[in-house]
Amino acid sequence: DTEVTQTPKHLVMGMTNKKSLKCEQHMGHRAMYWYKQKAKKPPELMFVYSYEKLSINESVPSRFSPECPNSSLLNLHLHALQPEDSALYLCASSQTRTVSYEQYFGPGTRLTVT
Amino acid sequence: ELKVEQNPLFLSMQEGKNYTIYCNYSTTSDRLYWYRQDPGKSLESLFVLLSNGAVKQEGRLMASLDTKARLSTLHITAAVHDLSATYFCAVVLAGSNYKLTFGKGTLLTVNP
Repeated sequence: DTEVTQTPKHLVMGMTNKKSLKCEQHMGHRAMYWYKQKAKKPPELMFVYSYEKLSINESVPSRFSPECPNSSLLNLHLHALQPEDSALYLCASSQTRTVSYEQYFGPGTRLTVT
Repeated sequence: ELKVEQNPLFLSMQEGKNYTIYCNYSTTSDRLYWYRQDPGKSLESLFVLLSNGAVKQEGRLMASLDTKARLSTLHITAAVHDLSATYFCAVVLAGSNYKLTFGKGTLLTVNP
């Protein structure tokens, strides 16, 4: 199984809503990532979890709150978002005991903030 | 700060032709990756290049890495329409395992 899954595929939320994005992998990877991608731009790293601990936070606003409940799951909690937060949110995972650290990406959640 | 530059950013090719996409990066790196992204889709890993002189090939695509020149190339041979997509290179700063810095991407269009 070389798949990273993400739910939901699409999400529309108002600026006062609270919602969560979910990501799951069963490849035994111990590093998981959240990226934000705006149209026609490259992905931007938001957070990295390594062995279920937050390893990197790229100065992301606190309205985005990551959570890694176990080695297979990664959540991104959303609260009081702004319209400019509308984007494709990508989850990725990678091994941590190989040289390559190759990241495998999920299909993404397309988020629209109204 | 690690900077990654790709060129060209836009590439329109005819089927059957060859072309090369270039990826330059500004500081020492351990690893370089090439990804493909179709419109509205996620990123698909194409190649992982780990050492100077590394060359990898898959079908009509071949990637190489010159760490001394801080340059990677993605060569397209006899392009076909199915190769139309955006191609990103991404580089990991030496000493970091997790943080990818992406180039801006090359939008490749292969015309019949």
